[in-house]
Amino acid sequence: AQSVTQPDIHITVSEGASLELRCNYSYGATPYLFWYVQSPGQGLQLLLKYFSGDTLVQGIKGFEAEFKRSQSSFNLRKPSVHWSDAAEYFCAVGTGFQKLVFGTGTRLLVSP
Amino acid sequence: SQTIHQWPATLVQPVGSPLSLECTVEGTSNPNLYWYRQAAGRGLQLLFYSVGIGQISSEVPQNLSASRPQDRQFILSSKKLLLSDSGFYLCAWSPGQGDNGYTFGSGTRLTVV
Repeated sequence: AQSVTQPDIHITVSEGASLELRCNYSYGATPYLFWYVQSPGQGLQLLLKYFSGDTLVQGIKGFEAEFKRSQSSFNLRKPSVHWSDAAEYFCAVGTGFQKLVFGTGTRLLVSP
Repeated sequence: SQTIHQWPATLVQPVGSPLSLECTVEGTSNPNLYWYRQAAGRGLQLLFYSVGIGQISSEVPQNLSASRPQDRQFILSSKKLLLSDSGFYLCAWSPGQGDNGYTFGSGTRLTVV
């Protein structure tokens, strides 16, 4: 069965520092991969997605993610974190029939 | 452009009472529709999805049901709420063709007391 693992429940980063959020997936075929962000009490907003082609994908708000097939990973990165980036981040893999399987999320805290 | 509306935003209901949460999509036709639940500190659990009017697939056996009476309307219901039904409920839609991810509604915070 498809699954997504986000090994870090919480991460604290200083404002201006770089960020990397980890995501590993398990899926038998070529995956569709997504990163979403959720602010408290809100729905989820799509940051970026990977379907095929270039393994480094650019998203909104200065985020990027790199697909590494050999590691079954799709880590999210940002070179310089802003206080407004504090939120919960979810990685997801698209399975057959358009169903998404989500990870349990990583809560990002940004310190001054 | 497409928009998704979900209401109410918050709801407090006593145990044993009925539930009806509504989700509507505008600006598209024949969308795939989804209900997810997010429990405190946990990820998102797919509850139901629908690919067309009257077509509902259930992912997890539970105290809830879903219906799709119109193309762009998706309703989550319960006849008798349990304490364990508390959580954050999210509706989402995706195009019927291609894997483009989901667009989520703003969610409903349900507290069963």
